[in-house]
Amino acid sequence: EPEVTQTPSHQVTQMGQEVILRCVPISNHLYFYWYRQILGQKVEFLVSFYNNEISEKSEIFDDQFSVERPDGSNFTLKIRSTKLEDSAMYFCASSPRTNTGELFFGEGSRLTVL
Amino acid sequence: EDKVVQSPLSLVVHEGDTVTLNCSYEVTNFRSLLWYKQEKKAPTFLFMLTSSGIEKKSGRLSSILDKKELFSILNITATQTGDSAVYLCAVVLQGAQKLVFGQGTRLTINP
Repeated sequence: EPEVTQTPSHQVTQMGQEVILRCVPISNHLYFYWYRQILGQKVEFLVSFYNNEISEKSEIFDDQFSVERPDGSNFTLKIRSTKLEDSAMYFCASSPRTNTGELFFGEGSRLTVL
Repeated sequence: EDKVVQSPLSLVVHEGDTVTLNCSYEVTNFRSLLWYKQEKKAPTFLFMLTSSGIEKKSGRLSSILDKKELFSILNITATQTGDSAVYLCAVVLQGAQKLVFGQGTRLTINP
């Protein structure tokens, strides 16, 4: 069964460092998302991406964050200068259709900022 | 502010019991409500509910939506230890891409 894959599964970084989290969405899906879950808190929307551009983003997704689909298969989330409060599980998701909510999530990348 | 609230936050039952998980919402421009199961990491899709009063069923799991009272329930009958997970409720808004999640219900099934 096709699945969303994410790498790395866990990354530890120093505050102020740049981090890139990678995702390979399901191949025939058109809509891509990043969500995050701080330990013990709700899953929160970060950004959605369609047709090579951001279609919606949350207040969390400030100038420190960016997304890219560099080669037609990978979908990346970059955090330019990490802060302690960026420590969270980051989930990539994809869906074949928009606005249905039926998202297929990856296993997540746990980011720990020291 | 759009809000999704789940209850209880935590529930421990014995194998074979039936459980009911609750999700209420206060959002602008509701489109649909979804239930996800989160075992270790990735949430996996269970149900999408758009219309009131129509029960969705998958094996021992079922769910229904009440758009007048703004809530949904997820029922699990004859629970098994494999049902132990965090169950997430999320709402999709009209014209929006994002899901608004509740805080989840942690369900533990003891043998």
